[in-house]
Amino acid sequence: EPEVTQTPSHQVTQMGQEVILRCVPISNHLYFYWYRQILGQKVEFLVSFYNNEISEKSEIFDDQFSVERPDGSNFTLKIRSTKLEDSAMYFCASRIRGAYEQYFGPGTRLTVT
Amino acid sequence: GIQVEQSPPDLILQEGANSTLRCNFSDSVNNLQWFHQNPWGQLINLFYIPSGTKQNGRLSATTVATERYSLLYISSSQTTDSGVYFCAANNDMRFGAGTRLTVKP
Repeated sequence: EPEVTQTPSHQVTQMGQEVILRCVPISNHLYFYWYRQILGQKVEFLVSFYNNEISEKSEIFDDQFSVERPDGSNFTLKIRSTKLEDSAMYFCASRIRGAYEQYFGPGTRLTVT
Repeated sequence: GIQVEQSPPDLILQEGANSTLRCNFSDSVNNLQWFHQNPWGQLINLFYIPSGTKQNGRLSATTVATERYSLLYISSSQTTDSGVYFCAANNDMRFGAGTRLTVKP
């Protein structure tokens, strides 16, 4: 069964560094999402992406964040200058057009030191 | 945006017991999903259920969209059912705070 994949599974970075989290959505999916979950808290929506542009973003998704679909398979989340409070699990999700069910990847645990 | 509330926040059961988890949402939904977060942090998709009833083994779910709630039933619970259960609604997937289930042997 096709699934969403994410790399790396765990990333450790120093405060102020740029990080890129990578996702490969399911191949025929057209809508893409990023979520984050700070340890012990609920999962929060960051951004949705369709047709090579952002559809919606939350108040969390400020100028430090950006998303890109650099080729036909990858979907990336970039954090320009990481802060301690960016430490969290980041989930990518995707869905097909015409259906609302979202399929989640296994997550990338980001630790900012 | 839509508000999603889950209850109870914590639930402790003996193995073999049944349980019901509830998810209330504040507006009509086009998507309602239940997830189980395993000890490694992965979100396991249990049900896509914006309305109606579905069953998968010992788990079943019912969403009454007109009354804005969904229920997740776990029957004959096992220790492997332990973890946090989340519901989430709509396109931007507003998550509830979760129910932490602990099943004791």
